[in-house]
Amino acid sequence: EAGVAQSPRYKIIEKRQSVAFWCNPISGHATLYWYQQILGQGPKLLIQFQNNGVVDDSQLPKDRFSAERLKGVDSTLKIQPAKLEDSAVYLCASSLLGQIAYNSPLHFGNGTRLTVT
Amino acid sequence: AQSVTQPDIHITVSEGASLELRCNYSYGATPYLFWYVQSPGQGLQLLLKYFSGDTLVQGIKGFEAEFKRSQSSFNLRKPSVHWSDAAEYFCAVGAQVRGQNFVFGPGTRLSVLP
Repeated sequence: EAGVAQSPRYKIIEKRQSVAFWCNPISGHATLYWYQQILGQGPKLLIQFQNNGVVDDSQLPKDRFSAERLKGVDSTLKIQPAKLEDSAVYLCASSLLGQIAYNSPLHFGNGTRLTVT
Repeated sequence: AQSVTQPDIHITVSEGASLELRCNYSYGATPYLFWYVQSPGQGLQLLLKYFSGDTLVQGIKGFEAEFKRSQSSFNLRKPSVHWSDAAEYFCAVGAQVRGQNFVFGPGTRLSVLP
């Protein structure tokens, strides 16, 4: 099966600019996650979707970050305006059951490495 | 809320030597436990998972992990390390409570000497 697709792989922007990341999950996976991974740390959940509804966005900095999952398939994560501390790898993951079964493993994309200068 | 600690930031072993990576979790109920591996520039790949039953679970690439409830641990082991095992390893816990999700530990970086 095709894996989780993310684009772009790399992005360099200046602070206060905006940026968007795209994710296409594995076909049939109901749950989609966006994680932020700062260098040297484990991934931190930003937002979780179940189909096209938000399940958990408690750690999403909503003043600058936004995400949507139209039609319950692919998703975009946007940062506007970016800050220096947003430099990180943004990982998208999907799982088959997610919210229904917490034992449903996550399948990750290769991530987008964002550098904010 | 659940939490995960990985006491070792960086471990170096010689190729062919045995390996144990430590993971401790904090969670009030029965946890779902996972180990993921991340190679440079790649996403995370699932190595193995524990839900219930046999406390020794086998994973891909020759890895295994043992769940010890009394110690709140889920340590990852491999009897003989290969150079290709050099990567970052993350332990994670999944919750059974709505609104609490997968929580990852900070990771352990494994280096393998030839």
